[in-house]
Amino acid sequence: EAGVTQSPTHLIKTRGQQATLRCSPISGHTSVYWYQQALGLGLQFLLWYDEGEERNRGNFPPRFSGRQFPNYSSELNVNALELEDSALYLCASSLFSGSGSDTQYFGPGTRLTVL
Amino acid sequence: GENVEQHPSTLSVQEGDSAVIKCTYSDSASNYFPWYKQELGKRPQLIIDIRSNVGEKKDQRIAVTLNKTAKHFSLHITETQPEDSAVYFCAAKGSGTYKYIFGTGTRLKVLA
Repeated sequence: EAGVTQSPTHLIKTRGQQATLRCSPISGHTSVYWYQQALGLGLQFLLWYDEGEERNRGNFPPRFSGRQFPNYSSELNVNALELEDSALYLCASSLFSGSGSDTQYFGPGTRLTVL
Repeated sequence: GENVEQHPSTLSVQEGDSAVIKCTYSDSASNYFPWYKQELGKRPQLIIDIRSNVGEKKDQRIAVTLNKTAKHFSLHITETQPEDSAVYFCAAKGSGTYKYIFGTGTRLKVLA
């Protein structure tokens, strides 16, 4: 069974630009979570999508947004990039929220560098 | 707001010794507590988890204990091996919010 995949692996942008990161969950998983992992810090919860809808978001400004597609893949968009947005962005998937299964499986991440 | 504190931030042990990492959570409604291991340059991998209706869970050399009253849970690794060296993260999931709050991580170094 294929795991969670993310693309691209690395992304280099300049300040003020927009970045788009993509995530494909494990087949059968409908929930997708996005996390930011800045150097030396833990995982900061960004967004949670389930069944195509945004269910919850962390303490990040509105320029962090995303969506989930009908095939449950997801996209994270970061507008007006700032230097401090440089981080590893991790995506995780799990079974649908009402399944009683809470286990999250992580993708390899996208390393975003803002110059 | 919700918070998970994790200690220590770094831990060095001799091979064969035990390692203990502790986390304290603030949301009393949290009901699921996973532990992840992240090796350098790799994705976090679930190593063990526990639900709020259980006090302890063990899987070979790894065990997790949960004290709901005190709102803390701990990871115990016995007979440590060099391959246990990694960063370990705890997390707590809020009941109903499905929001996972992660600790800041513990860098474990097992010295051969």
